[in-house]
Amino acid sequence: EVQLVESGGGLVQPGRSLKLSCVASGFTFSNYGMNWIRQAPGKGLEWIADISSGSSYIYYTETVQGRFTISRDNAKNTLYLQMTSLRSEDTALYYCARQDSSWVYWGQGVMVTVSS
Amino acid sequence: DIQMTQSPSFLSASVGDRVTINCKASQNINKYLDWYQQKLGEAPKLLIYNTNSLHTGVPSRFSGSGSGTDFTLTISSLQPEDVATYFCLQHNSGYTFGAGTKLELK
Repeated sequence: EVQLVESGGGLVQPGRSLKLSCVASGFTFSNYGMNWIRQAPGKGLEWIADISSGSSYIYYTETVQGRFTISRDNAKNTLYLQMTSLRSEDTALYYCARQDSSWVYWGQGVMVTVSS
Repeated sequence: DIQMTQSPSFLSASVGDRVTINCKASQNINKYLDWYQQKLGEAPKLLIYNTNSLHTGVPSRFSGSGSGTDFTLTISSLQPEDVATYFCLQHNSGYTFGAGTKLELK
């Protein structure tokens, strides 16, 4: 069974950093690209970054470009999102999702709250 | 960037009703439009991919249609378990979600 489990969220002050993790199981992690998608409270969904299976290709949405870094460790079956210079508008539930032709498998999400 | 305009934002319908939700892209996205269902407190679930392909296990009352810039999700006969928020997603160029349609029972 494919499972994606995010962790690392919490309450953080504006301007500070936080690193999210997504541990994958039930499939060969190194064969798949991965994504981070977020959802602000009561709002819609926003794709924020993706990374290819071997980390050769990485893309970000403009709103996080230069502040967030997506990475992966295929030996640990883990996807990461390093978030710096956090803003109140980064407050959201952050999901990881496996890159198939469409996003079939999602984690349960991890909450990040940016507030002083 | 491609913008997705989804309508309506809120929909109230009765069990057995035919329900349609629309998404309009700001430019041609070919067939690369997916539909997701999100129930309260859950991650989104894929319903339809590439405009009209039903994801495995999704009831046949769900269908998708459209091309180019205009797309539709149809629920042929609304069931109580269909109460949810529905999102479209274009993946022709980058990824852009529609704002969502909250579907409730009348």
